[in-house]
Amino acid sequence: DTEVTQTPKHLVMGMTNKKSLKCEQHMGHRAMYWYKQKAKKPPELMFVYSYEKLSINESVPSRFSPECPNSSLLNLHLHALQPEDSALYLCASSQDRARREQFFGPGTRLTVL
Amino acid sequence: QQQVKQSPQSLIVQKGGISIINCAYENTAFDYFPWYQQFPGKGPALLIAIRPDVSEKKEGRFTISFNKSAKQFSLHIMDSQPGDSATYFCAARTLYSGAGSYQLTFGKGTKLSVIP
Repeated sequence: DTEVTQTPKHLVMGMTNKKSLKCEQHMGHRAMYWYKQKAKKPPELMFVYSYEKLSINESVPSRFSPECPNSSLLNLHLHALQPEDSALYLCASSQDRARREQFFGPGTRLTVL
Repeated sequence: QQQVKQSPQSLIVQKGGISIINCAYENTAFDYFPWYQQFPGKGPALLIAIRPDVSEKKEGRFTISFNKSAKQFSLHIMDSQPGDSATYFCAARTLYSGAGSYQLTFGKGTKLSVIP
């Protein structure tokens, strides 16, 4: 199994809603990442987890809350988002934080109304 | 210092032609240079990557050329096909200060259209 899966594929939420994005990989990778990608722009790093511990938080607003319950799973909890948070949210993983190759999931297309 | 500059922004190539995308960087701490291919609505897929101690790497129709002294690297797609039409991102990896983890810095992307 060489893929990163993300659910849901699409999500529409209001500004007062609470929702979660889920990412899963079964490649035994120990580093997992959340990126945000706006249309026609490159991915922007949000968070890095290494061995289930948060190692990088790129000054992301607290309305985004990451969680890494185990080595295969990464969640992104969303609360009180703004319309400008609408984007493609990408999860990626690598074998560990020192290994070079990062593999991306298909993303969750988030629309905030 | 952290930027990776990518050009051109868009590229139109005839089927069978060679597509060339260029990237330049300033930070000599970058230690790994991958290229990603992204189709609309999909996540980026790792295409090919190179380390700075190698000047060229070829995988099938895709070749990375790397010029360490000029701090430039490029992607060549030989015999370009309509199925290659996608957005291509170059990237460079460096250690994230104080965290012990690495981060990728992406170029702004090149939209490639291969016309029949």
